Amino acid sequence: AAGVIQSPRHLIKEKRETATLKCYPIPRHDTVYWYQQGPGQDPQFLISFYEKMQSDKGSIPDRFSAQQFSDYHSELNMSSLELGDSALYFCASSLGRGVPVQYFGPGTRLTVT
Amino acid sequence: AQSVAQPEDQVNVAEGNPLTVKCTYSVSGNPYLFWYVQYPNRGLQFLLKYITGDNLVKGSYGFEAEFNKSQTSFHLKKPSALVSDSALYFCAVRDSRYNFNKFYFGSGTKLNVKP
Repeated sequence: AAGVIQSPRHLIKEKRETATLKCYPIPRHDTVYWYQQGPGQDPQFLISFYEKMQSDKGSIPDRFSAQQFSDYHSELNMSSLELGDSALYFCASSLGRGVPVQYFGPGTRLTVT
Repeated sequence: AQSVAQPEDQVNVAEGNPLTVKCTYSVSGNPYLFWYVQYPNRGLQFLLKYITGDNLVKGSYGFEAEFNKSQTSFHLKKPSALVSDSALYFCAVRDSRYNFNKFYFGSGTKLNVKP
């Protein structure tokens, strides 16, 4: 079965640079979520989109922005990168309203040097 | 405020013995509760969820969890642990009244199953 795809899997950037992370949800899933997991930390919810509209916002810094496109893939744009942004960034997708199960991608490991 | 607590950073159990990974929660409304497992360098994998109904929920890989409203707990259990169950386990909650798509995760519990 198709799973959530994230690219790139690894990314190394320098301070003050920008990064773009991509997420391709499971086909027909209508909701995408972004999480940030720091070393030894639990996943922190950043933002979610339902049917290409932002639905919920968590602890996403103002330097970050995200959107969901017409084909339902999503991109997380991160600017003015800081050392503290080094983390594993997970995308998840789900189908429908109610209480859907979130299916997670393998993550993008971002290292800021 | 919504929150999840996993009081144990690590749980050690011998293969074949029963295991319990603890989770307590705090939400304003009714809770929707989830357990996920994470293997090294992998995304979280769904194990089971509680929405309503029977307090005992059965999930993947022989895991089950018991919802206890009075104790606001949702402990993960398995009758007989396998070495391959060794991983990081996260409990998550969603408040039925607020933040439609926002999940709150616990800090995770590392399960070590020894042969």
